[in-house]
Amino acid sequence: AQSVTQPDIHITVSEGASLELRCNYSYGATPYLFWYVQSPGQGLQLLLKYFSGDTLVQGIKGFEAEFKRSQSSFNLRKPSVHWSDAAEYFCAVYGNAGNMLTFGGGTRLMVKP
Amino acid sequence: EAGVTQFPSHSVIEKGQTVTLRCDPISGHDNLYWYRRVMGKEIKFLLHFVKESKQDESGMPNNRFLAERTGGTYSTLKVQPAELEDSGVYFCASSLIAGGRGETQYFGPGTRLLVL
Repeated sequence: AQSVTQPDIHITVSEGASLELRCNYSYGATPYLFWYVQSPGQGLQLLLKYFSGDTLVQGIKGFEAEFKRSQSSFNLRKPSVHWSDAAEYFCAVYGNAGNMLTFGGGTRLMVKP
Repeated sequence: EAGVTQFPSHSVIEKGQTVTLRCDPISGHDNLYWYRRVMGKEIKFLLHFVKESKQDESGMPNNRFLAERTGGTYSTLKVQPAELEDSGVYFCASSLIAGGRGETQYFGPGTRLLVL
């Protein structure tokens, strides 16, 4: 069965600093991978997704993620964090049985002024 | 175009009571999903509708949970009777293409359920 691990439960960065959120997955075939963000009081918003092709994926709000098959990773990055990026971030993979998403535990990002 | 909407946004009930959550998917989306996140845990899949049919309900925790999607439009998720461990956030999502693996799922804001 597929699984997703986000090793960091909480991360704090200073505004303007770079950000990398880690995501590792376990999946037998080529995974379909997603990053979602949940801002306070909001629903889950899709940041970006990887299905195939270029392993560096650009998303909204200046985020990007890189798929590395050899490391079973799909880390999310942003070169310069803004205070409005404070939120919880979820990595997810599509299952091979059915259309459900399997989520990681989430990483809560705090941004220091 | 309106996104996925959920009602209510919050619900506080006592153990043993019944609660019904509603989800309105994006218009024209055949697929509708329910997920939930209990405190401190991952977001977990509950079930998947394709139009009005239950495609996969493997994530439903027990028979106290009943989901319906009459007419293939909105869906309801009823918890009866509610238990303390049912507290959490219930998300609904929808996607356009039935059977399209990898199709983007669009999520609603969630219903925060607290069972006392």
